[in-house]
Amino acid sequence: GAGVSQSPSNKVTEKGKDVELRCDPISGHTALYWYRQSLGQGLEFLIYFQGNSAPDKSGLPSDRFSAERTGGSVSTLTIQRTQQEDSAVYLCASSPPGQSVGAFFGQGTRLTVV
Amino acid sequence: AQSVAQPEDQVNVAEGNPLTVKCTYSVSGNPYLFWYVQYPNRGLQFLLKYITGDNLVKGSYGFEAEFNKSQTSFHLKKPSALVSDSALYFCAVRGDTGRRALTFGSGTRLQVQP
Repeated sequence: GAGVSQSPSNKVTEKGKDVELRCDPISGHTALYWYRQSLGQGLEFLIYFQGNSAPDKSGLPSDRFSAERTGGSVSTLTIQRTQQEDSAVYLCASSPPGQSVGAFFGQGTRLTVV
Repeated sequence: AQSVAQPEDQVNVAEGNPLTVKCTYSVSGNPYLFWYVQYPNRGLQFLLKYITGDNLVKGSYGFEAEFNKSQTSFHLKKPSALVSDSALYFCAVRGDTGRRALTFGSGTRLQVQP
């Protein structure tokens, strides 16, 4: 597609349930990022994939969070045993090869844990 | 470590007046610097970037940013603000060595009064 696509756009889940958030990056983009944005707040880095390199997982807040990227394209962010503090907008971004290029963002998934 | 500071949570300016949104950074190696804008209920949009070359970078919607290496700053500017510029602005940095993920600042809310 033309841009980064995220699904679902909204997700309401009960505390303790697992959720999966999906990101389809722009075709040909080798880098993929996940960020989290709480209401009106800044962007919190979660995880970064670059080509076939080992992902940078340094931003994942707990072991309940995990992400994978299959075939160097689609990525899934999984949150296990969700907690109310996990409620936020989860943003995915991708960028083409080259460090001088910025990232292109999707519209995000708004996760609400009730 | 790689970091970005946006010292102002909010900037208020009257329409027609010049605006400045401040950003300072810390990074290993040479910096790649970016500004993004987020309108209400919208995704992040790229505004401009500094890679190398001229210290004054021009971007979308009449915005520009000035790179100052000695002060490690990359302030966003516009000569004449519009009400429609009211949004959340994020500065981001990536170094050309070490960690390659984009690090974002906490964001600055720009409010332009008519």
